[in-house]
Amino acid sequence: ETGVTQTPRHLVMGMTNKKSLKCEQHLGHNAMYWYKQSAKKPLELMFVYNFKEQTENNSVPSRFSPECPNSSHLFLHLHTLQPEDSALYLCASSQEGDGELFFGEGSRLTVL
Amino acid sequence: QKEVEQNSGPLSVPEGAIASLNCTYSDRVSQSFFWYRQYSGKSPELIMSIYSNGDKEDGRFTAQLNKASQYVSLLIRDSQPSDSATYLCAVEYSNYQLIWGAGTKLIIKP
Repeated sequence: ETGVTQTPRHLVMGMTNKKSLKCEQHLGHNAMYWYKQSAKKPLELMFVYNFKEQTENNSVPSRFSPECPNSSHLFLHLHTLQPEDSALYLCASSQEGDGELFFGEGSRLTVL
Repeated sequence: QKEVEQNSGPLSVPEGAIASLNCTYSDRVSQSFFWYRQYSGKSPELIMSIYSNGDKEDGRFTAQLNKASQYVSLLIRDSQPSDSATYLCAVEYSNYQLIWGAGTKLIIKP
């Protein structure tokens, strides 16, 4: 495996379900990110981890819960989501916070 | 409110012509600027970064930065159908924080 891999690629869940998105990076980077991408809207930064420590949390609702057990893995735990949370969730990594991000292929989430 | 503005397009350019994509930003202290390309159904990929005023060339791509006027542009020479994509402009707000434009959809017509 190379680069940044995300699973699952597609997820459909009800509003009462609990699910998790997984991200793994094989680039030796020390920063990992969760972004939300909705149609026709700019990318929204949700969380940033640097060396496993969360450095940013951009006022994301508590129904999204990140977990970073080490510098290569990042999870996004989802519970009691709303239909407006349906979007593409992108994981990315970078070396330090230099803005040169490497993205995974994304997890397309649909909340019914 | 820090913002990055891009024309949403679509911008239609004939094959072989120069495609010009523009981006303006509001934060005067930003120092780092990036262009990402996103094909339909795919994730963004970095194609250019620029940090100093002036031009930076990489193959058929040229990034231009004017900090006084707060704009950054991307020129694509000899446009190919494979260049058809959405181009995202990103501006560094602080360490680990980028502000993104909504993207310009570029269509290269054979």
